[in-house]
Amino acid sequence: GEDVEQSLFLSVREGDSSVINCTYTDSSSTYLYWYKQEPGAGLQLLTYIFSNMDMKQDQRLTVLLNKKDKHLSLRIADTQTGDSAIYFCAETFPSGYSTLTFGKGTMLLVSP
Amino acid sequence: KAGVTQTPRYLIKTRGQQVTLSCSPISGHRSVSWYQQTPGQGLQFLFEYFSETQRNKGNFPGRFSGRQFSNSRSEMNVSTLELGDSALYLCASSPGTLYEQYFGPGTRLTVT
Repeated sequence: GEDVEQSLFLSVREGDSSVINCTYTDSSSTYLYWYKQEPGAGLQLLTYIFSNMDMKQDQRLTVLLNKKDKHLSLRIADTQTGDSAIYFCAETFPSGYSTLTFGKGTMLLVSP
Repeated sequence: KAGVTQTPRYLIKTRGQQVTLSCSPISGHRSVSWYQQTPGQGLQFLFEYFSETQRNKGNFPGRFSGRQFSNSRSEMNVSTLELGDSALYLCASSPGTLYEQYFGPGTRLTVT
């Protein structure tokens, strides 16, 4: 079935790297996404990776995909207080067109 | 390009009433999806419209309905409101053939 799991909370110090993890159960996922949500706001698309890729880097963001273990991670380098938010992992499927299945979200707290 | 806009941003309704929410996608995007976000259930897919046709539907009761107009703007309607319908309703737009989805700021619905 479709299920995406994330740890609920992560706390880091400003300047450190943050790693947010996600596991999914459906191996037929096509695209995997990371979204950011700040308080009172909608979802901001940060990055996404196609399921035949292992890694994608975009400025301070690095996405790693381990398809064998169905594990996705988002690394944020040089984490800033402005990165404090909830981060959602999501997946979509070949037959699902634009339908996203989301995890419950990881709250990242960055302290000065 | 302007982003996804949703109106109204906030809404308070009474049980038993009905409500209509509106979403204007990014110019050129033909797919609009709707999601419900609650603290308990997280983000759940409601439905997706592409070129005025419902292409996908989530597991919600028939009280939840939607439509899309020829200019790609979409509305969702909830009839006979229940307390449990209180949520943030998010709209996302996509070109339709790619898997990038961009979210609006959401409509916060409170049912009393």
